[in-house]
Amino acid sequence: GAGVSQSPRYKVAKRGQDVALRCDPISGHVSLFWYQQALGQGPEFLTYFQNEAQLDKSGLPSDRFFAERPEGSVSTLKIQRTQQEDSAVYLCASSPPNQQETQYFGPGTRLLVL
Amino acid sequence: AQSVTQLGSHVSVSEGALVLLRCNYSSSVPPYLFWYVQYPNQGLQLLLKYTSAATLVKGINGFEAEFKKSETSFHLTKPSAHMSDAAEYFCAVSDQGAQKLVFGQGTRLTINP
Repeated sequence: GAGVSQSPRYKVAKRGQDVALRCDPISGHVSLFWYQQALGQGPEFLTYFQNEAQLDKSGLPSDRFFAERPEGSVSTLKIQRTQQEDSAVYLCASSPPNQQETQYFGPGTRLLVL
Repeated sequence: AQSVTQLGSHVSVSEGALVLLRCNYSSSVPPYLFWYVQYPNQGLQLLLKYTSAATLVKGINGFEAEFKKSETSFHLTKPSAHMSDAAEYFCAVSDQGAQKLVFGQGTRLTINP
């Protein structure tokens, strides 16, 4: 079946611009996670949803970062007033209700802020 | 707080040789442990996971890992390396259940012909 999809795959933004990154999880997966992966580093947790409820947003680096999942399916990660340090790959993952410990990752969105 | 340490940011082995990628973890509760592989410009693919059942876990592509509580380790091995194994490998830990993953810094595996 279809895996986790993310769009766009690549995004170039000028410093100060707002960006929106989309994640389509695997159908039926109730848990959804966002991670940020800086160049040469491991992914770092940003936020977690169970259905439409955002249960953990402790990893969001600043109030410029905002995530939503209004209908419990597609999720959007929004970054306002982008800064150069926001340049990274943003990974989305989802997990099924009967195997919540297993996260399936999308291909990521590579964001470059100039 | 949980943490993961991967010893060796780069590992190079010859084709056909043993692959050993090291991972040590820190966790205040019984952990779940994972190994993921990442090919260039792709997301992470799950290789294997430990969820408090058998301590020796077998995964895809001939990889396996052994959970050793006394050593707080979860090293990844493969008896015979293949050129297609060249990639970045990440060890991760989580609390049991649907919890965030805490990743190590990754180990880049290079296979020499």
